[in-house]
Amino acid sequence: GIQVEQSPPDLILQEGANSTLRCNFSDSVNNLQWFHQNPWGQLINLFYIPSGTKQNGRLSATTVATERYSLLYISSSQTTDSGVYFCAVDGGANNLFFGTGTRLTVIP
Amino acid sequence: DGGITQSPKYLFRKEGQNVTLSCEQNLNHDAMYWYRQDPGQGLRLIYYSQIVNDFQKGDIAEGYSVSREKKESFPLTVTSAQKNPTAFYLCASSRGRNDGYTFGSGTRLTVV
Repeated sequence: GIQVEQSPPDLILQEGANSTLRCNFSDSVNNLQWFHQNPWGQLINLFYIPSGTKQNGRLSATTVATERYSLLYISSSQTTDSGVYFCAVDGGANNLFFGTGTRLTVIP
Repeated sequence: DGGITQSPKYLFRKEGQNVTLSCEQNLNHDAMYWYRQDPGQGLRLIYYSQIVNDFQKGDIAEGYSVSREKKESFPLTVTSAQKNPTAFYLCASSRGRNDGYTFGSGTRLTVV
């Protein structure tokens, strides 16, 4: 299956700071998604972004499919942004492969 | 409001028992999925179904079974053959393969 690597594994930010999370993948994909898992385990879909750039409020994402990476930007971070951010990709086998996530902690 | 409902939130199983986890969606999505998450890990696919009365094994299907008799429902049975069932189980749905997934809130299964 496709290999998905996320970096950094852990990130601690002061409230109000900006951050960039990275996702590298090993093969071409036709489905790439970013998720946020809150401390209670709920997974929220942030972006469906197999290519290009999207923005939603303080969050934005860019996928460069030809270079096999995606970036998630968080601006003006808030304590409610804390949790684990997952990147997941599907190369066409209808199997979404998840990375091991970036654990973000935003401190007031 | 449309969404996915998983029940129960917490489940305790004795050794040798089968248990069934419920997953219901009212999003009119064709595809449904079951994932397993172990502590500190990403999600791994157990089974998926793209249409009613059809389902396929994922990477870790051994010891699990599913059915898809209705579009809205995709229950997962954890059988006694699953040697290490303690985990967090997440159900998801989507309109199709190349579409965003919506997840339920999960079921935490513990073997006692």
